[in-house]
Amino acid sequence: EPEVTQTPSHQVTQMGQEVILRCVPISNHLYFYWYRQILGQKVEFLVSFYNNEISEKSEIFDDQFSVERPDGSNFTLKIRSTKLEDSAMYFCASSGSAYGYTFGSGTRLTVV
Amino acid sequence: AQSVSQHNHHVILSEAASLELGCNYSYGGTVNLFWYVQYPGQHLQLLLKYFSGDPLVKGIKGFEAEFIKSKFSFNLRKPSVQWSDTAEYFCAVIGTSYDKVIFGPGTSLSVIP
Repeated sequence: EPEVTQTPSHQVTQMGQEVILRCVPISNHLYFYWYRQILGQKVEFLVSFYNNEISEKSEIFDDQFSVERPDGSNFTLKIRSTKLEDSAMYFCASSGSAYGYTFGSGTRLTVV
Repeated sequence: AQSVSQHNHHVILSEAASLELGCNYSYGGTVNLFWYVQYPGQHLQLLLKYFSGDPLVKGIKGFEAEFIKSKFSFNLRKPSVQWSDTAEYFCAVIGTSYDKVIFGPGTSLSVIP
């Protein structure tokens, strides 16, 4: 069964640095999402993306965050200037007519 | 407001005991419901989902869930748990297939051998 692939699996970055989390959604899916899970807390929606633009974003998704689909296969989440509280597991997901809503394995971001 | 609540924060069971994890949701309109499992150090894995049809849904690893529309509930059950079922369980709701998923706070299950 097709998977949503995320890289890297773990990233450590210094506070104030920019970080880019990468995702390869399921081929032919048209809707893409980012979620995050702070350790010990529930999974929270960040942003959804369709037709090359943001379709919905949460209040967490402030000006420090951006998303992009730079080519036909990748979907990225950029955090411009990381803060300690950005430390979390970030999940990418994609949705479409085939295979339904699928989450990736996550990227654990640690900001030090 | 759209929300999902889970009845228990932490459940401890002995092996072979029966499991029922409660989930209630608040969501206007048609809903699709999920249960996800997250094993220690691993990613979210879909256990089962309800989109339509038979409200009793069977998933992987012997899990099942029942959608009771009148009670806005989607409880997860397993007749006999194993140590390997130790994990965090998340109930989640979505409107259409393309909406954001709204997760419950999770229930941590510990199964004692």
